[in-house]
Amino acid sequence: EDQVTQSPEALRLQEGESSSLNCSYTVSGLRGLFWYRQDPGKGPEFLFTLYSAGEEKEKERLKATLTKKESFLHITAPKPEDSATYLCAECSGNTPLVFGKGTRLSVIA
Amino acid sequence: DSGVTQTPKHLITATGQRVTLRCSPRSGDLSVYWYQQSLDQGLQFLIQYYNGEERAKGNILERFSAQQFPDLHSELNLSSLELGDSALYFCASSVARGRLGETQYFGPGTRLLVL
Repeated sequence: EDQVTQSPEALRLQEGESSSLNCSYTVSGLRGLFWYRQDPGKGPEFLFTLYSAGEEKEKERLKATLTKKESFLHITAPKPEDSATYLCAECSGNTPLVFGKGTRLSVIA
Repeated sequence: DSGVTQTPKHLITATGQRVTLRCSPRSGDLSVYWYQQSLDQGLQFLIQYYNGEERAKGNILERFSAQQFPDLHSELNLSSLELGDSALYFCASSVARGRLGETQYFGPGTRLLVL
């Protein structure tokens, strides 16, 4: 069964304290690895899509990278407005997206 | 704003009842996906439609059904509701080709509470 595991479950950072979130996927034949941001009670907001190992994408303070087994979301000098749940999802086989349970990020001023 | 709209935003109903959730995809998108998000299960894929036809099925209960209409909007029908069906229901859409690996854009969701 396809499985996406995210770690840590929760992360508390001081403003400006850089860190990384991890997403491990177990399926072969990956057709895409996706990162979303979700605020409480809102729909997931698309951040990045990665398709092949070695690929990197950046947006403001966020940078996503992909290896053959995992993906990282690096957050550089985070601000309180970066506080949210970050979701990772993989696409392969016959299922459009399989989501991990997310990392709850809190950035304290 | 993703361009995907969902109605209603909130729905409160009783066990045993039936409800219909509605979704309009982004302009030009032919694929619509439905997801359920509960506290313990996370985001779970339910079903996908592409240009009116069912394309993929996930963990959708037999009490649940969906369809996509010629104008591409979609409806998710939930019947014989149980307390455990209380959750956020999201619709997403993707660009016109409907192939796997496409980025999906999510709507704001419908919060369903079954009492």
